[in-house]
Parts: sequence; C-alpha cells; structure tokens
Amino acid sequence: EIVLTQSPATLSLSPGERATLSCRASQSVSSYLLWYQQKVGQAPRLLIYDASNRATGIPARFSGSGSGTDFILTISSLEPEDFAVYYCQQRSVWPITFGQGTRLEIK
Amino acid sequence: EVQLVESGGGLIQPGGSLRLSCAASGFTVGSRYMTWVRQAPGKGLEWVSVILSDGNTYYADSVEGRFTISRDDSKNILYLQMNSLRAEDTAVYYCARGTQSTSRYDYWGQGTLVTVSS
Repeated sequence: EIVLTQSPATLSLSPGERATLSCRASQSVSSYLLWYQQKVGQAPRLLIYDASNRATGIPARFSGSGSGTDFILTISSLEPEDFAVYYCQQRSVWPITFGQGTRLEIK
Repeated sequence: EVQLVESGGGLIQPGGSLRLSCAASGFTVGSRYMTWVRQAPGKGLEWVSVILSDGNTYYADSVEGRFTISRDDSKNILYLQMNSLRAEDTAVYYCARGTQSTSRYDYWGQGTLVTVSS
C-alpha cells in the first residue's frame, strides 16, 4: 500500500498569507494525486485532481503541483474560509490511500 | 442536482452486523465508481471500499472479508454490508461519487455515524 505523508501536521498562518502544504508518497503515484478540504462537521470537498487541476468551482487561489512522489498544495492568499483540514489522496494503485491531513489554523 | 444521502448508521454491539445505504439522485450509481470512506472520531479519512462501473470491487485490508459493497441500479442505491463489527470500525461513514473511470471523488454525502460498543 502507498503511504502518503503530509507536512506539516499543523500550519498556523494569518489571512492574506501564502500557505504551502506538502504530500509525499512512499512510491511514485505519477500525477494521480488529489487534494481535499474538510471543515468541521462537513464532508470533504475536492479541490485539486491529478496533481494540478482545479475541481469545478474552486477559486484560483488554490493550486497544486508535483509529480512522482512529491506534491504541493498552495493557497496564494488565505481567506478566512480556508482555515480547515487538508488531505491528499492517491488514486494510482489499489487500495486508495489518504494522507493523515494538515490542519491549517488561524495564527 | 447531484445528491448522496447515507442512512443505516447507529449503535451496534461488537460482532454485530449493519447495512449502510447511500441513496443517489442526479446521476446513476451504475455509471460511476462509487466508494465508502470512513472517519473515526477526531481522526483522518480512511478509504474503505469501491465498486467500479463494471461491477468490480476493492476493499481496504482492514475490512476485507467482513464488509461487502454492492449497488442496486434499479433503486439507484449504494450499500455497505458490515459484518463482524469491531470497536475500531466506529466512524462516520461517507459515500462518495467518482468519475466513470477514476477514483476522483467529486460529490460526497453528509455521512452516517456507526458506533460499535457494548
């Protein structure tokens, strides 16, 4: 099974700042890496698919990059509604796996 | 409008069985990868199982042999039959929709809570 390791576990930033979240895979997943956002009490929401493609309705401040084993989710300028938990997911091989999450909190 | 509505959760004793349902609208479950993902209290997301549009199924090691995913195309409902339940199966269970051929989950239900406890 592919293990996804996200860092940092918690990121403390202020609105307007740039956020950089990392996801590292234990083996190559090519570009088959997705990012989700989850707010408290809500279901996850798809942000980015296949490393760098924004899902429908996702603001342009969210961007993804990377391939192989190293991936980055960037939020260019944080809005108050962006403070949440972010998960990466690989769809390269079965079983599907998720990272453990990065909590983005207000500083 | 695409909607997914889970039901069937509740309190169950260890060793018991439960069947979760996910009623879909706005699309046909048989045309998509359909999945179950769970989240234990205060923990992260854990993928559980998927049924592909061709009917093939896959499971996480943690539930293999105990859980069965299925769908009823006539009712447009996804199911998860859970047997031999353990305390560690306690979680909110989400159903989610993939694409016709990938595990890109673009719509999720609101989740149903399963609590395994004596």
